Amino acid sequence: QQPVQSPQAVILREGEDAVINCSSSKALYSVHWYRQKHGEAPVFLMILLKGGEQKGHDKISASFNEKKQQSSLYLTASQLSYSGTYFCGTEGLTGANNLFFGTGTRLTVIP
Amino acid sequence: KAGVTQTPRYLIKTRGQQVTLSCSPISGHRSVSWYQQTPGQGLQFLFEYFSETQRNKGNFPGRFSGRQFSNSRSEMNVSTLELGDSALYLCASSLVSSGDTQYFGPGTRLTVL
Repeated sequence: QQPVQSPQAVILREGEDAVINCSSSKALYSVHWYRQKHGEAPVFLMILLKGGEQKGHDKISASFNEKKQQSSLYLTASQLSYSGTYFCGTEGLTGANNLFFGTGTRLTVIP
Repeated sequence: KAGVTQTPRYLIKTRGQQVTLSCSPISGHRSVSWYQQTPGQGLQFLFEYFSETQRNKGNFPGRFSGRQFSNSRSEMNVSTLELGDSALYLCASSLVSSGDTQYFGPGTRLTVL
């Protein structure tokens, strides 16, 4: 039930854009996105619920296509502070409050 | 509002021992989930408690157990520790149930020698 994330790693220069994809083989109720910096706990970015929606704040947004069981995280005009490992967590339709996390995408933003 | 707190932050144990980790959720949050994070396996779900009841359990052996108290604080216990149990153990709290944001604590780094 672990979702598949791509790419595994990406290096950007400040100001460039990036897309991180998350794909599941199971029907989903929600997709959660987190960013984790080395040695720190994952920090919540956003949650997208069943119903197919797009969300965003500042220069980070995400979409959720429930028919395809896919979600994408969009980072525009990247900043140095965006560096970290991004995880998607997927929640199935069972109503259980547990997330299955992808293996993560390591994003490095360089000056 | 204070965030999720976990104690202790670091722990060193030897094989065969047992360990208890503690998690205090954000005030008002009734759901607590536990995760194990390792470089090889990534973030893996252990179990979730809601109103003192275990609602869901991940694919871990019975040596891993937990409980939740009436004030929503949760403890996780690992008995007969193995070297492979070395990991960062994270707990996350959410208000109610599925579809809610999960807020992670700083984690407990467990090293088994």
